[in-house]
Amino acid sequence: NAGVTQTPKFQVLKTGQSMTLQCAQDMNHNSMYWYRQDPGMGLRLIYYSASEGTTDKGEVPNGYNVSRLNKREFSLRLESAAPSQTSVYFCASSEGISGQPQHFGDGTRLSIL
Amino acid sequence: QKEVEQNSGPLSVPEGAIASLNCTYSDRGSQSFFWYRQYSGKSPELIMSIYSNGDKEDGRFTAQLNKASQYVSLLIRDSQPSDSATYLCAVNRRGSGGSNYKLTFGKGTLLTVNP
Repeated sequence: NAGVTQTPKFQVLKTGQSMTLQCAQDMNHNSMYWYRQDPGMGLRLIYYSASEGTTDKGEVPNGYNVSRLNKREFSLRLESAAPSQTSVYFCASSEGISGQPQHFGDGTRLSIL
Repeated sequence: QKEVEQNSGPLSVPEGAIASLNCTYSDRGSQSFFWYRQYSGKSPELIMSIYSNGDKEDGRFTAQLNKASQYVSLLIRDSQPSDSATYLCAVNRRGSGGSNYKLTFGKGTLLTVNP
């Protein structure tokens, strides 16, 4: 069982570059989430999607965009990367729409120089 | 006041002891409560959920909830070195409009179980 798959696992960007983090789940879950985790800050929600075709802002959405391409896939895009976006990014999913993730991907460690 | 507070630790217990992890929350409208375990360098893993006052047991884990005191805890009995991890408390409430939920994580407590 793959569960939640994130790509890439590591990435180094220069300030101003753009990139898309990919996430796919194979559990037929309705909800998907993007979190960032920073030392001393805990997990913070960037965006979530309660169902295919819907997305909502979380606690820290500025500088990010998302696409719920279909029920399986939820991508996160950084249009113009900034050093403040250096973080570990986790994608997650849950069967229901009540807001708590059940399964997390392995994470993407992103450094922006 | 922080929305979800946890002692950052580290909490150090000997193997076989009971580890007690605590969490307080500020929003009285909170409805559901969760514990996640995160090993160093790994992703979080949902291990317990609790929705009503009292205790909920699952194997060596017991979650306790006291809504009047706005307090939720996780007890780990017969602690093992493999339990060494950061434990994240998360608190959920329904937002305005009825359909949106807001889940807030605490910053986590680092537990070390010494052989």
